[in-house]
Amino acid sequence: QKEVEQDPGPLSVPEGAIVSLNCTYSNSAFQYFMWYRQYSRKGPELLMYTYSSGNKEDGRFTAQVDKSSKYISLFIRDSQPSDSATYLCASQMEYGNKLVFGAGTILRVKS
Amino acid sequence: EAGVAQSPRYKIIEKRQSVAFWCNPISGHATLYWYQQILGQGPKLLIQFQNNGVVDDSQLPKDRFSAERLKGVDSTLKIQPAKLEDSAVYLCASSSRDRGPQYFGPGTRLLVL
Repeated sequence: QKEVEQDPGPLSVPEGAIVSLNCTYSNSAFQYFMWYRQYSRKGPELLMYTYSSGNKEDGRFTAQVDKSSKYISLFIRDSQPSDSATYLCASQMEYGNKLVFGAGTILRVKS
Repeated sequence: EAGVAQSPRYKIIEKRQSVAFWCNPISGHATLYWYQQILGQGPKLLIQFQNNGVVDDSQLPKDRFSAERLKGVDSTLKIQPAKLEDSAVYLCASSSRDRGPQYFGPGTRLLVL
């Protein structure tokens, strides 16, 4: 079993839709949770960085972490074609430790 | 603030040849990471440096991969000899001493023929 599981998609939505991206993890020791966006032939770009359970909002993006169910979510409101990319979730046990990534979900937003 | 710099961006080599990648982290970031990303997968840590000391190299194939971080700033990752399965994107990331996330460079795309 992989430590972080993520549906690879692709997920295709119309412009303006609300997008929900999800991950599950198996290691209870994970405390830090991140979402990265990766465009084709680019490096991962940090979108959200959260500690423990709860919600965090930044513009059109909201990250949710439910440690009781080991579930991580990213919501994108008013999705744009420029949001088309691969979204990677990552988890970390302690600050400074390695990141454990999911395989990434491909998102396509159609205009 | 300049981001993480990597070079070269692309490299094509024959199997059994050697190759080296270079990384310059964000200024002031004490921790540097090298990740390998195979097509269709998430990045996987190869080695982590804290200043110029190795913190974690448990997933580095030490028979063929080596890395160093002289003077606690720039780092190089070397593969010798390369195998076909080393074809991947090699990503460098850095984080500061204080609490904060890891920031990634653009990566080096390696193709081994």
